[in-house]
Amino acid sequence: GAGVSQSPSNKVTEKGKDVELRCDPISGHTALYWYRQSLGQGLEFLIYFQGNSAPDKSGLPSDRFSAERTGGSVSTLTIQRTQQEDSAVYLCASSFKPSHEQYFGPGTRLTVT
Amino acid sequence: GESVGLHLPTLSVQEGDNSIINCAYSNSASDYFIWYKQESGKGPQFIIDIRSNMDKRQGQRVTVLLNKTVKHLSLQIAATQPGDSAVYFCADRPNNAGNMLTFGGGTRLMVKP
Repeated sequence: GAGVSQSPSNKVTEKGKDVELRCDPISGHTALYWYRQSLGQGLEFLIYFQGNSAPDKSGLPSDRFSAERTGGSVSTLTIQRTQQEDSAVYLCASSFKPSHEQYFGPGTRLTVT
Repeated sequence: GESVGLHLPTLSVQEGDNSIINCAYSNSASDYFIWYKQESGKGPQFIIDIRSNMDKRQGQRVTVLLNKTVKHLSLQIAATQPGDSAVYFCADRPNNAGNMLTFGGGTRLMVKP
């Protein structure tokens, strides 16, 4: 079946602009996660959605970052007033249940110029 | 906070040899460990996982070993192939952190033909 998809695959934006990144999780997966991966680095947790519960936002680096998950499916990660240090690959993952393995999408490479 | 770390950033092996990738973790509350493989330009791909009540788990050509005494995790790849070349990440999940995974920095495996 279809895996996790993300769009766009690449995004170049000017410093100070807002960007929206989209994630389509695997159908039926109740948990959705956003991570950030800087060049040559590991994955940094950003935010976690589980069903209708309040999201775990503990990993968001600043109030310029926010995320929504509509209808328990598609999620968007919004970065306002982008800064150069926001440049990274943003990865989305989903899992059937919280205790199950996470499946990752291909990521969105964000470049802030 | 506590984190998962890796001993070697780069590992080079000959095709056909066995590979061993090591990982140290510091959170004794972690109850679940997972290895991911990430190829260039792609999202992490699940390889194998292990729960804290086990010390060994085998998959197809891969084995994960868990030593809780010294908080050490390893991934063994038998008969390494060129297609195994990638960055390998270990991650742990503290049992008091929902389903949030903490990732190590990654080890790059290079397979020489």
